[in-house]
Amino acid sequence: EVQLVESGGDLVKPGGSLRLSCAASGFSFSNEWMIWVRQAPGKGLEWVGRIKSKAHGLTTDYAAPVKGRFTISRDDSKNTLYLQMNSLKTEDTAVYYCTTFSAWGQGTLVTVSS
Amino acid sequence: DVVMTQSPLSLPVILGQPASISCRSSQSLVFSDGNTYLNWFHQRPGQSPRRLIYKVSNRDSGVPDRFSGSGSGTDFTLKISRVEAEDVGVYYCVQITHWPPYTFGQGTKLEIK
Repeated sequence: EVQLVESGGDLVKPGGSLRLSCAASGFSFSNEWMIWVRQAPGKGLEWVGRIKSKAHGLTTDYAAPVKGRFTISRDDSKNTLYLQMNSLKTEDTAVYYCTTFSAWGQGTLVTVSS
Repeated sequence: DVVMTQSPLSLPVILGQPASISCRSSQSLVFSDGNTYLNWFHQRPGQSPRRLIYKVSNRDSGVPDRFSGSGSGTDFTLKISRVEAEDVGVYYCVQITHWPPYTFGQGTKLEIK
């Protein structure tokens, strides 16, 4: 069974940092391009960024609102995806999902507030 | 960036009746390989999204055949032949032809009338 389990969400002050993790199982993680999507409270889905597989160069791309502040990485030996979030803003408050688009995690809540 | 525009944004439907959601893109979604990378997702209240349709018209495993996707170029449609109670929630289209970024539609909220 394909599973994606996010963790690391928390309450953090503006300007702070947080690292989210996503543990994957049930599929060939190393071959998949992995994506982070977020959803602010009561709002729609917003693409955050994506990391390609090692075979495709581990290239990362980011949405404009997070570029330069967020970093996506992966550890294929641990089947784990990461999202390092720095210089957090109140508008980053959202549920963060890791996904392949065919599979989704349950999400982890990040709240940025003083 | 490609802008995805869904309509309607709110869709009240009587149980057993059909429903249709439109998704229009600001530019053609045909990729250089000839494929069109337009997906549809459904998100029930309090749940994670679930993909229903990929590449315009391909249903994901386990998706009931009352769901169908169609369209080409810049104009796409998700149809539900007979709405059931479990179909409530928000439906999103997303394009992954032109990236970055992948872009979602605003979402269409389906409710039972």
